[in-house]
Amino acid sequence: SAVISQKPSRDICQRGTSLTIQCQVDSQVTMMFWYRQQPGQSLTLIATANQGSEATYESGFVIDKFPISRPNLTFSTLTVSNMSPEDSSIYLCSVGWTSGIDNEQFFGPGTRLTVL
Amino acid sequence: GENVEQHPSTLSVQEGDSAVIKCTYSDSASNYFPWYKQELGKRPQLIIDIRSNVGEKKDQRIAVTLNKTAKHFSLHITETQPEDSAVYFCAASMATGNQFYFGTGTSLTVIP
Repeated sequence: SAVISQKPSRDICQRGTSLTIQCQVDSQVTMMFWYRQQPGQSLTLIATANQGSEATYESGFVIDKFPISRPNLTFSTLTVSNMSPEDSSIYLCSVGWTSGIDNEQFFGPGTRLTVL
Repeated sequence: GENVEQHPSTLSVQEGDSAVIKCTYSDSASNYFPWYKQELGKRPQLIIDIRSNVGEKKDQRIAVTLNKTAKHFSLHITETQPEDSAVYFCAASMATGNQFYFGTGTSLTVIP
């Protein structure tokens, strides 16, 4: 496994603004993902953060709304742009390795976002 | 794409009893099935997983079974304890390093 940290842990933002969430891992990882978890709901994958290339977005999520960066194998950012109250949620990054048949993913502590 | 269904959505058991949570998946190409436990306000934690070349896996009080033909897998917790109370999520994945598709979650309450 790995030690995964996220910043900020929580934030309260005004509608129309943007927030950038950082995910830092203490070792190099192959895969990094961003999820959204709305209150009392399951985890929904936003996108796969690809190192050195554009992120791969899931249906219903677009780059203009959720730009993602992954400059190296230990760090990624997710920006929530032009926020509305509907963006209030917990945002989690997860990491994994492609090694043989290993598929495990481990989650960061999450960022609790409230949009007023 | 893959569709994962999970039942029940809530489950209450007496301490010491067993709990069973079931998931079905739609894509026969899925070959990795993890289970996560999420306590209130905390991150999901991987508790057990199973790969499609195995029918059953056990780790102390927790076991997972997989029926590839029927495309369903289940989590079994025996001798439940109050600290088992949490939300449990199943997931399915199709390839190494590929994205996970999560079930809707089961809120388990163990009554002392």
